[in-house]
Amino acid sequence: SQKIEQNSEALNIQEGKTATLTCNYTNYSPAYLQWYRQDPGRGPVFLLLIRENEKEKRKERLKVTFDTTLKQSLFHITASQPADSATYLCALLFYNQGGKLIFGQGTELSVKP
Amino acid sequence: DTGVSQDPRHKITKRGQNVTFRCDPISEHNRLYWYRQTLGQGPEFLTYFQNEAQLEKSRLLSDRFSAERPKGSFSTLEIQRTEQGDSAMYLCASSTPGESPLHFGNGTRLTVT
Repeated sequence: SQKIEQNSEALNIQEGKTATLTCNYTNYSPAYLQWYRQDPGRGPVFLLLIRENEKEKRKERLKVTFDTTLKQSLFHITASQPADSATYLCALLFYNQGGKLIFGQGTELSVKP
Repeated sequence: DTGVSQDPRHKITKRGQNVTFRCDPISEHNRLYWYRQTLGQGPEFLTYFQNEAQLEKSRLLSDRFSAERPKGSFSTLEIQRTEQGDSAMYLCASSTPGESPLHFGNGTRLTVT
C-alpha cells in the first residue's frame, strides 16, 4: 500500500532561519503534491501545489521542490517567524488511488523568537 | 466567504450510542470529503462524494460508518454503535474537481466514553 512519511520529530528553529521539512513517499507515482498548514483545533489550510512535472514552486517566503526520482518533496520557509509555528502536512494524489488526497502524518514546526 | 462548516464542534457519547455529524460545504463545490484524524497523525481518508454520488469509501471503514449527501449539498456522517476507538476529530472538506485544493472545516471532535 502507499506510504507517505514526514519527519516524525518536531522541528525547532530560531526566528529568521530557514525551516526545511521533508515528505517521502513509496510505490506509486503521484499526479501532484500539496502542502497544508494545520493549527491546533483547526482544519488544514492549503498552501501550495506542485505537479509531477514541476521541480520547484515558490509563493512569498515558501518554496516547494519535488523530486520524483528520489520520491521526495522538500518544503522551505525562509525568514521564519513565530507565527509560522504549526503542523505542516504533505498530501499526494496518486494516479491509481482514485480521486482522494492521501496525507502524511505531519511535522510540527516551532519557531522561537 | 462562508467556508466549510461542521456541526457539532464537539460530541461526547457513551459507547454503543449512534452519532451523526453534519457538514455544509462551500456552495459552488461539488466534491465533498470526510477524513478522520487522531492526535499526532495526518487526516485519514474515509469517503468522498461528487454531487450526490458517493464515489469512494475507504476499505478501513467498518459497516458501522455511513455517509450521505442527499441533494448534493450538505452531507451527514453517521457512526452506529460507537466504540472507544472511534474517538477522533472528523474533518469535512470540499473542492471543485481536478487539482483544486481541499477547503477544510474545523472538524467535529468525537469522544466516546
